[in-house]
Amino acid sequence: QVQLVQSGAEVKMPGASVKVSCKASGYTFTTYPITWVRQAPGQGLEWMGWISPYNGNIKSGERFQGRVTMTTDTSTSTAFMEMRSLTSDDTAVYYCARVLGWDHFDYWGQGTLVTVSS
Amino acid sequence: SYELTQPPSVSVSPGQTARITCSGDALPKQYGYWYQQKPGQAPVMLIYKYIERPSGIPERFSGSTSGTTVTLIISGVQAEDEADYYCQSSDSSGAYVVFGGGTRLTVL
Repeated sequence: QVQLVQSGAEVKMPGASVKVSCKASGYTFTTYPITWVRQAPGQGLEWMGWISPYNGNIKSGERFQGRVTMTTDTSTSTAFMEMRSLTSDDTAVYYCARVLGWDHFDYWGQGTLVTVSS
Repeated sequence: SYELTQPPSVSVSPGQTARITCSGDALPKQYGYWYQQKPGQAPVMLIYKYIERPSGIPERFSGSTSGTTVTLIISGVQAEDEADYYCQSSDSSGAYVVFGGGTRLTVL
């Protein structure tokens, strides 16, 4: 069965960076892009971008361009999302999800809570 | 930037029909999708390509579309349907994914 398993919760200081991983199993990793979506406490879903493990193509949301790096490791079927220059506004649960048809998401990871606090 | 507009909340009694709308100028051109999210859980896709239902999703969940509005319809609402519901689509160019602000469904 398809599964996306994310890394554990992180606590970071303002100005630091964080890297979240998302390990896929149950399907051929290079067949489908991986997207990243975040959700601040009590708020809605915010799309961050997606990456194709097949060819490395990336599309980032405008708010995240230049501050977020998405990568994949096809040898371990793992996607990564790194965010730099963290502020308290980046405190959120970060989800990865598998992309279908380049525009919607069928399987989701369990989420990773990133807390930014001094 | 492109936005999808949902009502913040909808309330229905058990057994009634709930309708949650989502409006956006590009919806006639770009597919609409619906997700359900329960507290502490990841979202689950309920409807894709406006009206299609993935396997495993109960038949009481359906979708419709008319012009710049897509609608999630929950027939015979059950207590377990109390959750947040999000619509999702893309901007007119198809380059950027957008979520609606979410609708909290309360089962009275």
